[in-house]
Amino acid sequence: SQQGEEDPQALSIQEGENATMNCSYKTSINNLQWYRQNSGRGLVHLILIRSNEREKHSGRLRVTLDTSKKSSSLLITASRAADTASYFCATVVNRDDKIIFGKGTRLHILP
Amino acid sequence: DTAVSQTPKYLVTQMGNDKSIKCEQNLGHDTMYWYKQDSKKFLKIMFSYNNKELIINETVPNRFSPKSPDKAHLNLHINSLELGDSAVYFCASSQGRRGEQYFGPGTRLTVT
Repeated sequence: SQQGEEDPQALSIQEGENATMNCSYKTSINNLQWYRQNSGRGLVHLILIRSNEREKHSGRLRVTLDTSKKSSSLLITASRAADTASYFCATVVNRDDKIIFGKGTRLHILP
Repeated sequence: DTAVSQTPKYLVTQMGNDKSIKCEQNLGHDTMYWYKQDSKKFLKIMFSYNNKELIINETVPNRFSPKSPDKAHLNLHINSLELGDSAVYFCASSQGRRGEQYFGPGTRLTVT
């Protein structure tokens, strides 16, 4: 079954609101990464959080990691129209360094 | 300058044909990947090379054969194309097997 599962599958919010996406995984990881994909484009790396870290910030992005619950969240504050995209979490598995992507959350920012 | 480039961007071909997709990265990374993204946007790793050595080979039909002539290039050759091969194929690179990945723009393959 899928290692990384994002929740929700789709999210629509008003511009200016905060958007929160969650990711759950099953096995022991070295790190967890979040990526953004605009329609018709390749994925763009947003942030990497290591298994011994609990929180990381980058601009309007805030990522948390709870290894006891095997879950992570991505918070985008003060959303903008340009944030409309799909967001994927990816886990690097400790056992073999394999990276596994989740199915993604489609975020739509309404004007 | 494009960090990870792929050619072609679009590829339309008939069933049974053989085709290749090329990938080049100018980031000096030592690890490169091929992914397949299906119509539901599910991204699945196919192959990974580290310093020209194959390290990940997922359950992919042996009609798919990667080739890494050097650390900056990873090509994907597909024999006897089938309808189910239609997808977007992404190349990516990273420094080390655990690092963040840089993706190419994708190659949209359509098999008719």
